[in-house]
Amino acid sequence: DSGVTQTPKHLITATGQRVTLRCSPRSGDLSVYWYQQSLDQGLQFLIQYYNGEERAKGNILERFSAQQFPDLHSELNLSSLELGDSALYFCASSVPSGANTGELFFGEGSRLTVL
Amino acid sequence: DQQVKQNSPSLSVQEGRISILNCDYTNSMFDYFLWYKKYPAEGPTFLISISSIKDKNEDGRFTVFLNKSAKHLSLHIVPSQPGDSAVYFCAAHPKTGANNLFFGTGTRLTVIP
Repeated sequence: DSGVTQTPKHLITATGQRVTLRCSPRSGDLSVYWYQQSLDQGLQFLIQYYNGEERAKGNILERFSAQQFPDLHSELNLSSLELGDSALYFCASSVPSGANTGELFFGEGSRLTVL
Repeated sequence: DQQVKQNSPSLSVQEGRISILNCDYTNSMFDYFLWYKKYPAEGPTFLISISSIKDKNEDGRFTVFLNKSAKHLSLHIVPSQPGDSAVYFCAAHPKTGANNLFFGTGTRLTVIP
């Protein structure tokens, strides 16, 4: 158990709809990262938040947005969903800044299926 | 642009033998390289890492080798065990900027009993 909690674990929805994925980082971790893993693909970095502020942006579509709340949990909002958005969405958190070796702790992922 | 590449989607090895998983990268500005292991229905878990100033790091049955001139790293598992069967992701951490990792596409390792 990594200590990172993601909900829901599975989600099935239709094209054009909007969904929200939720993540609670490990206790004490200030950074939250969102990654997308499509079929047979690596993990693609979407966005990072640090203590409520956006820190870095990867290949995140304009239809997607995220935020980190004062209690440090984060939500990833996916709108106008397309078939190609079907993927595993992982949230990860990392230790507070210090020895910045890049180690991330991942949740179990939210599997989104768009029909 | 895939900055971290794992060109072998799968690898099968007999139990007790050595497993060698390979990874190539294109960006010389990475300062740490990490290997993650992923079982089905679970998130990736950290396995081992290596700093760009080293060429080898060992942790029990797992050893990672880094060849900076070739921009290549490899993970050796000796001896391989059936419980090692999983997908292994290579990842790289940039020296500057945010703490996000760049991941390869993964290699599915199957250890045959």
